[in-house]
Amino acid sequence: GAVVSQHPSWVICKSGTSVKIECRSLDFQATTMFWYRQFPKQSLMLMATSNEGSKATYEQGVEKDKFLINHASLTLSTLTVTSAHPEDSSFYICSARTSPSSYEQYFGPGTRLTVT
Amino acid sequence: AQKITQTQPGMFVQEKEAVTLDCTYDTSDQSYGLFWYKQPSSGEMIFLIYQGSYDEQNATEGRYSLNFQKARKSANLVISASQLGDSAMYFCAMREDRNSGNTPLVFGKGTRLSVIA
Repeated sequence: GAVVSQHPSWVICKSGTSVKIECRSLDFQATTMFWYRQFPKQSLMLMATSNEGSKATYEQGVEKDKFLINHASLTLSTLTVTSAHPEDSSFYICSARTSPSSYEQYFGPGTRLTVT
Repeated sequence: AQKITQTQPGMFVQEKEAVTLDCTYDTSDQSYGLFWYKQPSSGEMIFLIYQGSYDEQNATEGRYSLNFQKARKSANLVISASQLGDSAMYFCAMREDRNSGNTPLVFGKGTRLSVIA
């Protein structure tokens, strides 16, 4: 199946710093990628939909100035957590469809962010 | 309103037995897709099975089958011959087929399955 990678797989940062998470589609082009956040023992909550070459669409309650998304190419989307705080500690997962006409959707392995 | 409801926070099943994980959904769209994913402790999301709203046959993938009851808006996952490696979180998800294929998956709260030897 299609492969989606994320980097880093885990990161620890100090409060107030920024962290960038990369999501890559390795063997297909993804015009749209989705970013999810998962707190411990909870479900995946959609943060934003990332579209190549245009601004991301954020879900209600997600601060676009805090969670910067850049979808610069058909294979790369980045999520930058700016001025991170301990409450931003979470598991961040990206996802992409192989094509709009295909039902298949693949997930990256996730990035565990811990803010101290 | 919650679009995907999984009412079983946790389930136990004996090894080699079958287990059903419940999922109901809510949508007014005619075209949609239903998914089940497995999430082991490592965190990766593993795709298990897909059912399209227009599919008349229940989907099957190896030991996984989806009991699709459209009128009741339910999409239960049946795992046959449970194995110890099946212990994980299981998420039901739906995607409404609109917006030129850019509609995201919406997830239920999940069911933690524990397989007992």
